[in-house]
Amino acid sequence: EIVLTQSPGTLSLSPGERATLSCRASQTVSSSHLAWYQHKPGQVPRLLIYGASSRATGIPDRFSGSGSGTDFTLTISRLEPDDFAVYYCQHYRSLFTFGQGTKLEIK
Amino acid sequence: EVQLVQSGAEVKKSGESLVISCQASGYTFSSYWIGWVRQKPGKGLEWMGIIYPRDSDTRYSPSFQGQVTVSADRSITTAYLQLSSLKASDTAIYYCARLDQWLQHGVFDYWGQGTLVTVSA
Repeated sequence: EIVLTQSPGTLSLSPGERATLSCRASQTVSSSHLAWYQHKPGQVPRLLIYGASSRATGIPDRFSGSGSGTDFTLTISRLEPDDFAVYYCQHYRSLFTFGQGTKLEIK
Repeated sequence: EVQLVQSGAEVKKSGESLVISCQASGYTFSSYWIGWVRQKPGKGLEWMGIIYPRDSDTRYSPSFQGQVTVSADRSITTAYLQLSSLKASDTAIYYCARLDQWLQHGVFDYWGQGTLVTVSA
């Protein structure tokens, strides 16, 4: 079973700064099946990135994904107030696995 | 427009059973897998199971195998999640979510609004 470990657990930044979130897999995974979601309290999770680096429909270009093998990154180039949320990575290979999440909070 | 509309919040007692529904619209229901995801209070997302409505092929997370049942009724484009012998630890928000076509990327691209289930001892 693949385990996804996200770091840091909490990231404190200010609007306008750059955010870098990490997702590490316990074994090599297919980039095609690595995704990122944004989840705000009281709202529904939102697909941001699929295939490790492709933005989902309507996602602004300040969100970008990268990585391969076991190490993947979600980057938010210039944080806006609306970006503060919990972010999850997720992988699919017969089964679905979510990382434990990174909370991005306002500093 | 793709929409997944779930049944409303539930309050149950330990030992009771529950079925949550998820009515889909705006796409060909039979052609996309639908999954269920749990979020306990203050915790992360956990995948529970998925179903392909065309042939009712189902897959379960090992963590939920035998504990839940996923089903679908193509005639009314609705998926279901059955929870049995509820415990207080089943208190959570349960989401249904559509998977991308053919599981090409294995991502949940549209989500229901969530159903809050509260189980009292």
